[in-house]
Amino acid sequence: DAGVTQSPTHLIKTRGQHVTLRCSPISGHKSVSWYQQVLGQGPQFIFQYYEKEERGRGNFPDRFSARQFPNYSSELNVNALLLGDSALYLCASSLGRGTAAREKLFFGSGTQLSVL
Amino acid sequence: AQKVTQAQTEISVVEKEDVTLDCVYETRDTTYYLFWYKQPPSGELVFLIRRNSFDEQNEISGRYSWNFQKSTSSFNFTITASQVVDSAVYFCALSEARETSGSRLTFGEGTQLTVNP
Repeated sequence: DAGVTQSPTHLIKTRGQHVTLRCSPISGHKSVSWYQQVLGQGPQFIFQYYEKEERGRGNFPDRFSARQFPNYSSELNVNALLLGDSALYLCASSLGRGTAAREKLFFGSGTQLSVL
Repeated sequence: AQKVTQAQTEISVVEKEDVTLDCVYETRDTTYYLFWYKQPPSGELVFLIRRNSFDEQNEISGRYSWNFQKSTSSFNFTITASQVVDSAVYFCALSEARETSGSRLTFGEGTQLTVNP
């Protein structure tokens, strides 16, 4: 079975541009989460979606938005890019059943975004 | 607010040595979950172990074992007889079991483990 897939793998943008990152969860998983990982640090939670509804949002500005589609895939959008947005963006999926906090997350390999 | 601290930035061992990764956490909740994830150079985080706040029994799973002590808010992870393939960044993470928190994980800064042949 395919794992979590993310596209693109790498992306280079300039300040002020907009970017869209895509994620396909594992088949049967209904929950998708997004994390930002700056070089040398641990991942930081951005969003979680379950059944197309936003379930949680981390401490990120409104320039960051996301959505989940009927097939449970997800997009992360970032507007007005800043140099500080350069990071590895990780998508994770989970079944979305039972106690959410105990769920094991399955991560993709991420999209490496560089903002110049 | 919840916080996870991994004081060891880098650890280097020789193959077959045992290695323990330290993790200290802060939370005001009484119900929470603790995790260890591994991040190899390919980038994806791989789930290793999970423990809930009600169960302090320490366990062994293959070469992995963990020591959860609520009194000291620590959740340490040990790899026995380390192998070169264990080289990766290891993250400790905390999830609070509030209805509104979903599956939001708070990660530590990570510990880079290098196992030399």
